[in-house]
Amino acid sequence: AQSVTQLDSQVPVFEEAPVELRCNYSSSVSVYLFWYVQYPNQGLQLLLKYLSGSTLVESINGFEAEFNKSQTSFHLRKPSVHISDTAEYFCAVSESGAGNMLTFGGGTRLMVKP
Amino acid sequence: DTGVSQDPRHKITKRGQNVTFRCDPISEHNRLYWYRQTLGQGPEFLTYFQNEAQLEKSRLLSDRFSAERPKGSFSTLEIQRTEQGDSAMYLCAREDRDNTGELFFGEGSRLTVL
Repeated sequence: AQSVTQLDSQVPVFEEAPVELRCNYSSSVSVYLFWYVQYPNQGLQLLLKYLSGSTLVESINGFEAEFNKSQTSFHLRKPSVHISDTAEYFCAVSESGAGNMLTFGGGTRLMVKP
Repeated sequence: DTGVSQDPRHKITKRGQNVTFRCDPISEHNRLYWYRQTLGQGPEFLTYFQNEAQLEKSRLLSDRFSAERPKGSFSTLEIQRTEQGDSAMYLCAREDRDNTGELFFGEGSRLTVL
């Protein structure tokens, strides 16, 4: 069975500061990895994904995540956050080639302060 | 627009009543998922369909819960004899065409059981 651990439930940070949201997973098989974002009063949206190939993946709004197989991690980073990045971020994993049921972490609330 | 509509968006009911939620994905997507999200937690998998066949159910789906997808398009999730612990956001999702595990979520149906 797969599981996802997001080590920080809340991350407060000042605008324009860098941020890292941590995600570790466990699985006995190959996985696909995802970060979803949930803005206040909105539904879940995909932020970025790792399926195969380059271990560094990027989103259109400046976030990036790196798949580290040896450490079973998929941490999310942004070098300079904006107020508009305030949201709940969820890391998720699915087993590649299987029924593609996502297992989510508990979420990290990113709070960007002016 | 994620191509997934859910109805109703909010439902308040008294304990013991039955409720039904509906999910309408855009056509031509053969996998449909139901998740539940409680406050402060990540979404938890409930069940999924491939066309009209229900292929997997979580142990979270007690015998009071039933899901259907009669024609392989829209789906319904019914909860009988609701309990206060059923209060949650019920999310429906469709899978992308390439079956990579990326899910597109609807905005959810929020259930409050009094």
